[in-house]
Amino acid sequence: DTEVTQTPKHLVMGMTNKKSLKCEQHMGHRAMYWYKQKAKKPPELMFVYSYEKLSINESVPSRFSPECPNSSLLNLHLHALQPEDSALYLCASSQGSTGRNTDTQYFGPGTRLTVL
Amino acid sequence: AQKITQTQPGMFVQEKEAVTLDCTYDTSDPSYGLFWYKQPSSGEMIFLIYQGSYDQQNATEGRYSLNFQKARKSANLVISASQLGDSAMYFCAMRELSTGGGNKLTFGTGTQLKVEL
Repeated sequence: DTEVTQTPKHLVMGMTNKKSLKCEQHMGHRAMYWYKQKAKKPPELMFVYSYEKLSINESVPSRFSPECPNSSLLNLHLHALQPEDSALYLCASSQGSTGRNTDTQYFGPGTRLTVL
Repeated sequence: AQKITQTQPGMFVQEKEAVTLDCTYDTSDPSYGLFWYKQPSSGEMIFLIYQGSYDQQNATEGRYSLNFQKARKSANLVISASQLGDSAMYFCAMRELSTGGGNKLTFGTGTQLKVEL
């Protein structure tokens, strides 16, 4: 069983809706990640939080807004999305040790988002 | 910039046979980490195995082993005694140095493995 949980599993939203994706990890990790994955493609990194601070933003449109309330929780707030934003959104966590190659990322089950 | 190449979009293997999934990489960094992940149709990315650039021995985890050839810049995944449950997409990834906290992974395009009876 994964120790990274994501809710909801599926989400359908209109372009004018506001919704949030939630991620929680129970491994004491200090780095958390959001990825977007289109069908049959590799995951694309969106954001990285390290010690609850945003450390990497891969030029993601402002309609995606991340939030890290504490070291165990990571949210992704969605507003005014486009149909092309439909994808699998994956959350991951790692110990967050920079300078160590063994910093393995562990992924949650993902949220399948459909924007109508 | 780092680059990962997986040249096999799809592979078939018979149950109980071994299969090798290819991965080559390119980096100018002498220190790096290589990872393999499995992604079933359910979507979850499952960590399988890790190899560090300075590791002297090939990594092994149960039925998974990594054939690491540093001079050739290849890190092939070997799955022994394939099972039907091994049918999934497999991604090779490399850890990328980041100036901030956390670590970036560069992923290959993936190999879809199908295990047949």
